[in-house]
Amino acid sequence: KQEVTQIPAALSVPEGENLVLNCSFTDSAIYNLQWFRQDPGKGLTSLLLIQSSQREQTSGRLNASLDKSSGRSTLYIAASQPGDSATYLCAVNGNYQLIWGAGTKLIIKP
Amino acid sequence: DVKVTQSSRYLVKRTGEKVFLECVQDMDHENMFWYRQDPGLGLRLIYFSYDVKMKEKGDIPEGYSVSREKKERFSLILESASTNQTSMYLCASSFLRGTYEQYFGPGTRLTVT
Repeated sequence: KQEVTQIPAALSVPEGENLVLNCSFTDSAIYNLQWFRQDPGKGLTSLLLIQSSQREQTSGRLNASLDKSSGRSTLYIAASQPGDSATYLCAVNGNYQLIWGAGTKLIIKP
Repeated sequence: DVKVTQSSRYLVKRTGEKVFLECVQDMDHENMFWYRQDPGLGLRLIYFSYDVKMKEKGDIPEGYSVSREKKERFSLILESASTNQTSMYLCASSFLRGTYEQYFGPGTRLTVT
């Protein structure tokens, strides 16, 4: 059974720093992996989707990588801003159903 | 632009009431999903549908039912609401083929008193 883990559960960094969020999964037979952002009390916004055949995807200051063999994905945020404060969730898609990590709560201090 | 809408942002119901949560997508997606999200438990799949009138149970279907009479609309029904169904409910949709990328609505915060 696929399990998805996100470490750390919470992270606080000063504005301007580059940072990495981690996501690991136990079964490498995945179709793709999605990173989402969730603001308090709100729905989920899809940030990046990486297909199993891809190594990375980029959108603006965000870069997501995928290493299926080791069961890991990272979300790199460059030049962090207070507006990046949110919970970041990764989800693995095995058969069009998503298996979710618990999320990393990110706080960017001005 | 991709759009998933949910009928209410906040809802307060009494124990035993029948509750309807509506979700509409305008992207012609075949798949639609209902999740609930609780602190410490993350997102859990309640039901999903891959076509009109088709439905599949997710991880926690007990106490819920769903209806999909039209492709763009997926309803979650709480037949007799209970306090342990107080939660954030999230609807999502995706294509049946391709990337399966899921798009989410804004969520409904349901409180059952």
